[in-house]
Amino acid sequence: QKEVEQDPGPLSVPEGAIVSLNCTYSNSAFQYFMWYRQYSRKGPELLMYTYSSGNKEDGRFTAQVDKSSKYISLFIRDSQPSDSATYLCAGTVSGSRLTFGEGTQLTVNP
Amino acid sequence: DTAVSQTPKYLVTQMGNDKSIKCEQNLGHDTMYWYKQDSKKFLKIMFSYNNKELIINETVPNRFSPKSPDKAHLNLHINSLELGDSAVYFCASSQPGRGTQETQYFGPGTRLLVL
Repeated sequence: QKEVEQDPGPLSVPEGAIVSLNCTYSNSAFQYFMWYRQYSRKGPELLMYTYSSGNKEDGRFTAQVDKSSKYISLFIRDSQPSDSATYLCAGTVSGSRLTFGEGTQLTVNP
Repeated sequence: DTAVSQTPKYLVTQMGNDKSIKCEQNLGHDTMYWYKQDSKKFLKIMFSYNNKELIINETVPNRFSPKSPDKAHLNLHINSLELGDSAVYFCASSQPGRGTQETQYFGPGTRLLVL
């Protein structure tokens, strides 16, 4: 079993839709949780991170962590075609050793 | 300004060859990493160096050997390349913090194809 499980999709939504991306993890020691965005043929870039359980909002993006159910979510409001990318969730105990999910490929159609 | 750069961007080679990938970061970070991303986009850590010292060494064939000549550079040498080594290899760097999450900055990737 992978430590971080993520539905690879692909996920296709119309512009303006609310997108929900989800991961589950098995390592109870994870303290930090990240979402990376990776455009085609580019390196991943950090989108958001949260520490322990709770919500974090940044513009149209909201990250949620529920440690009791080991569930990580990313919500994108008013999705735009420029949001089309692969979204990778990750967990870590200390910060240096990131364990990634498989990534969800998202396409937002104009 | 390129924060984390890798050369080459593309590498096509024959099985059995030896090749190197270079990585440089100009962010002043102490920690650098090598990741492998397979065709399914699964990104897995291979190695991590902190100030030229190896701190993470995942279960990777010993045909892969990282070298850090200084803290701004981390190179990856691969001996006797195999078909299964075909992937995208990403270099990343970060600056360890105290009590805060350290952000890893990724390079553009090196696409390796072994024929």
